[in-house]
Amino acid sequence: AQKVTQAQTEISVVEKEDVTLDCVYETRDTTYYLFWYKQPPSGELVFLIRRNSFDEQNEISGRYSWNFQKSTSSFNFTITASQVVDSAVYFCALSENNNAGNMLTFGGGTRLMVKP
Amino acid sequence: NAGVTQTPKFRVLKTGQSMTLLCAQDMNHEYMYWYRQDPGMGLRLIHYSVGEGTTAKGEVPDGYNVSRLKKQNFLLGLESAAPSQTSVYFCASSYEQGQAPYEQYFGPGTRLTVT
Repeated sequence: AQKVTQAQTEISVVEKEDVTLDCVYETRDTTYYLFWYKQPPSGELVFLIRRNSFDEQNEISGRYSWNFQKSTSSFNFTITASQVVDSAVYFCALSENNNAGNMLTFGGGTRLMVKP
Repeated sequence: NAGVTQTPKFRVLKTGQSMTLLCAQDMNHEYMYWYRQDPGMGLRLIHYSVGEGTTAKGEVPDGYNVSRLKKQNFLLGLESAAPSQTSVYFCASSYEQGQAPYEQYFGPGTRLTVT
C-alpha cells in the first residue's frame, strides 16, 4: 500500500530564510508520480509540481526547488528566501501508475509560517 | 472558465439530517473526486468517478454516496449526518490520458459542521 509521510507538522521561519519541507513516500510500484500542492489561508489547493519516478533531476522554478531522491524515497521541497506570501499548508502526494482513477494519496501536510 | 465549483460553501446540519454537495467542472475532465480534509490528516479520498455513470469507493466511503449522471457534475450525499462527518470537503477533477496521472484541479471547498 502506498503511504506519504510529512514529518514536519509546523515550521516557522523569518522572512528571507530558506526552508525545506520534507516528504517521504512508500510504494511497491516502480512507476509512480509525486506531487506538491499548496493550500494558502484562503483554502483552495494549488498545484505546484508533478514528477514521475523515472526523472530524478532536481527542478527549480523561481524560488522553489524540488529534490527527488529514489534511494531514500524522498521528494523534498525547498523555498529560497521565503516571503510572507509563502505562508500556507503544503501537501505532498503520491499516485501509483495504473491505479484505477489515478488516485492520489496525500501526506498530512506541513504548515509553514513565514514571519516578517 | 470557472474551473471546479462547489455548492454550498458552508453548511450546518443536525445529526441525522441529510444533504447533497454539488461539484461542477467546465474543463471536460473525465475523472472526478471527493475528498475530506481533517486537521493533521491531509486529504482522504471518499469516492471517485472515472466517467459519466461510474463511481467507485475511495479510502473513507462509509456514510457517503455519490452519483455522476452528467460528465460535468459529481454529487456527494450524506443520508444521515453524524458529528464525525464534520470536515472540509473538496471536489477535484483531472484529465484522463493513458495510465499516467495528471494534476487534479480542486474546488474551493465546503465547510460542513454536524451538531
